[in-house]
Amino acid sequence: GAVVSQHPSRVICKSGTSVKIECRSLDFQATTMFWYRQFPKKSLMLMATSNEGSKATYEQGVEKDKFLINHASLTLSTLTVTSAHPEDSSFYICSARGPSGQYFGPGTRLTVT
Amino acid sequence: QKEVEQDPGPLSVPEGAIVSLNCTYSNSAFQYFMWYRQYSRKGPELLMYTYSSGNKEDGRFTAQVDKSSKYISLFIRDSQPSDSATYLCAMNRDSNYQLIWGAGTKLIIKP
Repeated sequence: GAVVSQHPSRVICKSGTSVKIECRSLDFQATTMFWYRQFPKKSLMLMATSNEGSKATYEQGVEKDKFLINHASLTLSTLTVTSAHPEDSSFYICSARGPSGQYFGPGTRLTVT
Repeated sequence: QKEVEQDPGPLSVPEGAIVSLNCTYSNSAFQYFMWYRQYSRKGPELLMYTYSSGNKEDGRFTAQVDKSSKYISLFIRDSQPSDSATYLCAMNRDSNYQLIWGAGTKLIIKP
């Protein structure tokens, strides 16, 4: 139990376009989900906390207009990278607060060309 | 069967003890192995990053990978109360592939 999925697993997009990443809790309801960004061989950096039915809470330095988060249901949160640039290329990981702790998704590799 | 198995604990040991944390996995294609430490209400912090088999040491931490047994370990020497946290293992085939996570082991170091 307590599985978190992400889609897509990998995406390549052109500079200036927008990309949506989905995070789903498959077998539990999650009122709270988290979005992280990871640079190679570095720790996960918390970007924002997503609460179902309310606005996300962004960490300092994260542009809320660039990284749009929507948590419309208890099993789905989405992160949209708007007007993507090459410096947005990274590994994006979500997690969901579940019955016995925090469960991580497998990550989405975003490459902006 | 999950691809990565990790005992959730909690594991409680006295201060100063050697701690052994472990994960087993089923996919022989995994080559990159990571250990993260996560304190309550914080994001996971990368502790160790190893490639293929062997040992890697960093201060009080030693990561060990045994690909023949599909078994990885994290040893903590001279454990401190500040080491109390959840430790997660993660692995993948290469940096372009998804991370497969263990469930995390909650470690408690008693003063």
